[in-house]
Amino acid sequence: KNQVEQSPQSLIILEGKNCTLQCNYTVSPFSNLRWYKQDTGRGPVSLTIMTFSENTKSNGRYTATLDADTKQSSLHITASQLSDSASYICVVRRGGYNKLIFGAGTRLAVHP
Amino acid sequence: DVKVTQSSRYLVKRTGEKVFLECVQDMDHENMFWYRQDPGLGLRLIYFSYDVKMKEKGDIPEGYSVSREKKERFSLILESASTNQTSMYLCASTPRDRGNTEAFFGQGTRLTVV
Repeated sequence: KNQVEQSPQSLIILEGKNCTLQCNYTVSPFSNLRWYKQDTGRGPVSLTIMTFSENTKSNGRYTATLDADTKQSSLHITASQLSDSASYICVVRRGGYNKLIFGAGTRLAVHP
Repeated sequence: DVKVTQSSRYLVKRTGEKVFLECVQDMDHENMFWYRQDPGLGLRLIYFSYDVKMKEKGDIPEGYSVSREKKERFSLILESASTNQTSMYLCASTPRDRGNTEAFFGQGTRLTVV
């Protein structure tokens, strides 16, 4: 079954600290994986995309990794800010299909 | 600035009412999608459309229908609203390319059925 699982479900960290969010998938065939950020009351916005050949990609304080062999991805946030408080959603596209498979998301709260 | 706009941020409807949720995109995208988002379940696909007047069922189409009369507009219809349809509804669009293109989302409509 094509699934995307994220952990932890929720996370609280102090401002300035780092954190890592995990995404495991069983989607096949794999096309790409995106991390989205969803602020409260808003639609998701793409942070970064990982394709099969990419291992690491950074976007400012966000660094995503992909291990296509173990079917795992992570999103690392460095020097967290209050504005990082949001849900982070991992989304995998199946190869050859116009369909996205969503994880349930990790809700991150950054406290001062 | 690309945009997907949903007609309402918040809606409260009564059980049995017919409910229309509207979505408009200004990016000339061929594909449009309706999802619902519930805590712990993530986004689940209700219906999608890959062209005007075309529609395909997603994973949870029961109790819903859609309409796409114009390329930029995709409507979700709850024929007879029920309390288990209380949820956040998100519209998204993508161009026809099936590669690495990003899905652009609207701001969401939080529907409460009482």
